[in-house]
Order: sequence, then C-alpha cells, then structure tokens
Amino acid sequence: KQEVTQIPAALSVPEGENLVLNCSFTDSAIYNLQWFRQDPGKGLTSLLLIQSSQREQTSGRLNASLDKSSGRSTLYIAASQPGDSATYLCAVRLSQGGSEKLVFGKGTKLTVNP
Amino acid sequence: DAGVIQSPRHEVTEMGQEVTLRCKPISGHDYLFWYRQTMMRGLELLIYFNNNVPIDDSGMPEDRFSAKMPNASFSTLKIQPSEPRDSAVYFCAMSDGNNEQFFGPGTRLTVL
Repeated sequence: KQEVTQIPAALSVPEGENLVLNCSFTDSAIYNLQWFRQDPGKGLTSLLLIQSSQREQTSGRLNASLDKSSGRSTLYIAASQPGDSATYLCAVRLSQGGSEKLVFGKGTKLTVNP
Repeated sequence: DAGVIQSPRHEVTEMGQEVTLRCKPISGHDYLFWYRQTMMRGLELLIYFNNNVPIDDSGMPEDRFSAKMPNASFSTLKIQPSEPRDSAVYFCAMSDGNNEQFFGPGTRLTVL
C-alpha cells in the first residue's frame, strides 16, 4: 500500500529565506507526483506536476525535484514571502492499471514571518 | 479551484439526518473525484468517476455513503444516516486526464 509522508508537519521561517519541503513515498511505482498549496478554508491549488520520467519542474520561485528510486521529492521555495504561508501537500498518482487515484501526504504547514 | 462549484459550503446537521453534497464540475473534464479531509487522516479519496461511470469506490467508508453522477454537469455525495465521525471537509475535484487535478472549495460538514 502506497504511503506518503511529509516532514516536517510545520515550519516557520523569516521572510526572504530559501526553504525546502520534503515528501517521501513507499512505493516507487508512481505515474507522477504533484505538489499542491492549500490556504485555510480553501480547496487545493496545483503548483507543480512532475512525471515519473522527469527529475524536476520549475515555476517562478518554486522548484520541485523527484528521485523516484529513493522515493523522495522536494519542493524548494526561493526568497520566501508572507504570501507563501499555507499548507503544502504532495500527492503521488499510482501507476498500476491506469488508475487516476492520488495518494496524499498530510502536508507541511508553512508560516513565513514578515 | 479552477471553476469547480460545490454546495453547500457549510453544512451543520444532527446525527441520523441525511446529508447531500453537490458538485458542479468543469465542462470538458471527464474525471470527477470526491475526497474527504480530516485532521487525523488527511485527504482521502472516496470515489472517482470517468465519463459519469464510477471507476473506483474502494475509499467509500461504508454503505451509508453513496455517490452519483447522473450527467456530466452534476454529481452528488450522500450520507444516510449521518454520524458525528463523518464531520470533515469534502472536496470535489476534476481532471481532464492530462494528470493535474483541480479542486473545488470544499463543503465543511459538521454532524452533531
């Protein structure tokens, strides 16, 4: 059974700092991995999607990497801003049988202090 | 939350009552997903549809839960009878099969 773990559960940093969020998964047979952002009381917003054949994806100040063989992904946020404060979730799509099912981690709650 | 509409946004009900959650998906997106989010268990997939047909309902917790998608523009998740442990935020999400999933704002359900 695929399990996704995100460490730490919460992180607080001063504005301007570069930071890394971690995601690990137990079964390397994934189709892709997706990073989401969730603001309080809101739904999830997709940030980056990495296919299993890719090593990284970038969008603005965000960079996500994927090491499928070791079951790890990281989300790097450069020059953090208070507006980056949110919960960040990673999710893996299983590769068996063409399933569209995503398995989520419980998220890392990020606070960026002005 | 790219256009997925969920209603109601908040629902408070008493144990034993029937609850119906609604989702209006994005047109042109063939996959519809129902998720439940709690502090203890995180975000869990309940069921998903492709072209209005249920594909995987292995996450539906028990017979009290049922989901329907009578057409491409509407889906419901029903809980009957509701119990306090069903209290959670329920999300509807869509995908066009090109991998990204787009989430609605969620329905916060409280069962007293």
